[in-house]
Amino acid sequence: AQSVTQPDIHITVSEGASLELRCNYSYGATPYLFWYVQSPGQGLQLLLKYFSGDTLVQGIKGFEAEFKRSQSSFNLRKPSVHWSDAAEYFCAVLMEYGNKLVFGAGTILRVKS
Amino acid sequence: EPEVTQTPSHQVTQMGQEVILRCVPISNHLYFYWYRQILGQKVEFLVSFYNNEISEKSEIFDDQFSVERPDGSNFTLKIRSTKLEDSAMYFCASRLGIEQFFGPGTRLTVL
Repeated sequence: AQSVTQPDIHITVSEGASLELRCNYSYGATPYLFWYVQSPGQGLQLLLKYFSGDTLVQGIKGFEAEFKRSQSSFNLRKPSVHWSDAAEYFCAVLMEYGNKLVFGAGTILRVKS
Repeated sequence: EPEVTQTPSHQVTQMGQEVILRCVPISNHLYFYWYRQILGQKVEFLVSFYNNEISEKSEIFDDQFSVERPDGSNFTLKIRSTKLEDSAMYFCASRLGIEQFFGPGTRLTVL
């Protein structure tokens, strides 16, 4: 069955430091890949998505993600974290010709000043 | 920019009561979804709807749940007899192409 693993439940980084959030998926073919951000009590905001083509994708708020087929990974990165980036981040996968998004368990990002 | 809207933003109900959560998808979208997020847990798929019928549902979506598109613009999720464990954030989503667009969610609290 299709699954998404986000191995880090919590991550704390200092403001201005770089960030990498990990995401691995289990699926035989190349899925469509997404990262969402959720602030407390809020909805889901799409940060970026990968459908095909260039494996390094740029998103909003200075985020980027790299798809690595050999590692079945789609890690989210940001070179310099801002205090406003503190939130929960969800990786999600959609099977090709599929219908439903499958979400990872999420990673809570804390930013310390 | 068009967006998915959901009402109400918060709903408090007593166990055993019926609730209806409402969504207005983006107008030209053809596929509609409900997802659920129990507090502190991941977002889970409930049901998808296309061409006026359910196209896929999860094991969570039992006989207590139903969906409807009553008037060509609204998309509703009904829970017939709420249980404590139905307390969650419920997200509606819609799509035309690959990307699903999410609404802001309805927080349901069952007492």
